[in-house]
Amino acid sequence: EAQVTQNPRYLITVTGKKLTVTCSQNMNHEYMSWYRQDPGLGLRQIYYSMNVEVTDKGDVPEGYKVSRKEKRNFPLILESPSPNQTSLYFCASRRPNSPLHFGNGTRLTVT
Amino acid sequence: EDQVTQSPEALRLQEGESSSLNCSYTVSGLRGLFWYRQDPGKGPEFLFTLYSAGEEKEKERLKATLTKKESFLHITAPKPEDSATYLCAVQEPGGYQKVTFGTGTKLQVIP
Repeated sequence: EAQVTQNPRYLITVTGKKLTVTCSQNMNHEYMSWYRQDPGLGLRQIYYSMNVEVTDKGDVPEGYKVSRKEKRNFPLILESPSPNQTSLYFCASRRPNSPLHFGNGTRLTVT
Repeated sequence: EDQVTQSPEALRLQEGESSSLNCSYTVSGLRGLFWYRQDPGKGPEFLFTLYSAGEEKEKERLKATLTKKESFLHITAPKPEDSATYLCAVQEPGGYQKVTFGTGTKLQVIP
């Protein structure tokens, strides 16, 4: 089954404790992206990757890092999480000029 | 900055009461407009892609239309299972292929 898989689904952590959210897709898509979703603000892009070893900032990249060492994986790294990064995070992938396929989300709480 | 605006923010309908959701955009040289459905706590699920003014797509009780500056999602005789948040997104021109989302319309269909 074609899918984007994110882990974990839920994560509660404390300020400053580094964490990684994993994302994997099995559709051989070159383009992958991370979004955060907050009430009233919609989906905002954090980082995207056009291909292996090619990543770039989206609209809200501060406080986040990504890497793309393999085509299928695109982890999101929060080196020193803060409470304002409490949000619902989605990973997505796509072929050129095609719809995004989304994972089921990771709900992160930073206390 | 290119913008995507959806209205209304929330819509409450009786079962069987048809209505329309609006998505207006300011992006020049649109490369595609996408409609998604999002259920609570889940990732957005793709519904339609529209590429040019005048185009229409249908799926069950949903029909999406596109003009040069806006798109409508028409819901005919909705059922309670149509309750969800409906998101509109536009793809901008260029190699980056940025996709910008609106903040969504939360639809509630009451039996």
